[in-house]
Amino acid sequence: SAVISQKPSRDICQRGTSLTIQCQVDSQVTMMFWYRQQPGQSLTLIATANQGSEATYESGFVIDKFPISRPNLTFSTLTVSNMSPEDSSIYLCSVDGTGGTEAFFGQGTRLTVV
Amino acid sequence: AQRVTQPEKLLSVFKGAPVELKCNYSYSGSPELFWYVQYSRQRLQLLLRHISRESIKGFTADLNKGETSFHLKKPFAQEEDSAMYYCALYNFNKFYFGSGTKLNVKP
Repeated sequence: SAVISQKPSRDICQRGTSLTIQCQVDSQVTMMFWYRQQPGQSLTLIATANQGSEATYESGFVIDKFPISRPNLTFSTLTVSNMSPEDSSIYLCSVDGTGGTEAFFGQGTRLTVV
Repeated sequence: AQRVTQPEKLLSVFKGAPVELKCNYSYSGSPELFWYVQYSRQRLQLLLRHISRESIKGFTADLNKGETSFHLKKPFAQEEDSAMYYCALYNFNKFYFGSGTKLNVKP
């Protein structure tokens, strides 16, 4: 199993500003994933963060808006840039178990943009 | 492309009643399917996976390739089953989630 710590747990931000969310895992993992969970909608994968290379973004998400860092095998950050109210959502960090047998999630960051 | 559909946003049942949460998927290969659950104020966690053919907390789910479904069932719902349930498909190192069904078990 993996224990994931994510912070901040929540924040209220002004539009036009940026917020960086941190994700710390208690074990070394190859891939870390960032999801967005909008009210009443599914978890949508934003990007996959690999250590030592650039993140891989899903369709509809771009690096300029959601830059990701992955400095080592236990840590990643997601920045939500130039925020607008439409970015209000829960952002989740996740890692896979061995062979994709299970996904482990952080507790999420609830972001409100005003 | 893979897609997971959960047609019900909310499902309300009385304690002791059977419950079925529907999940349909679209995927051309042999899918790996999961059910995840999120209880109030807790993080999302795995409930069960189809390859294990297990029963967890009284829940079971059978993969029906003909109907491309992976419905979650429990014969007698309990109040503590109230939670958000997400069906997920695993492909190429990624999980694809449905939109979730909120199960409300009334006393």
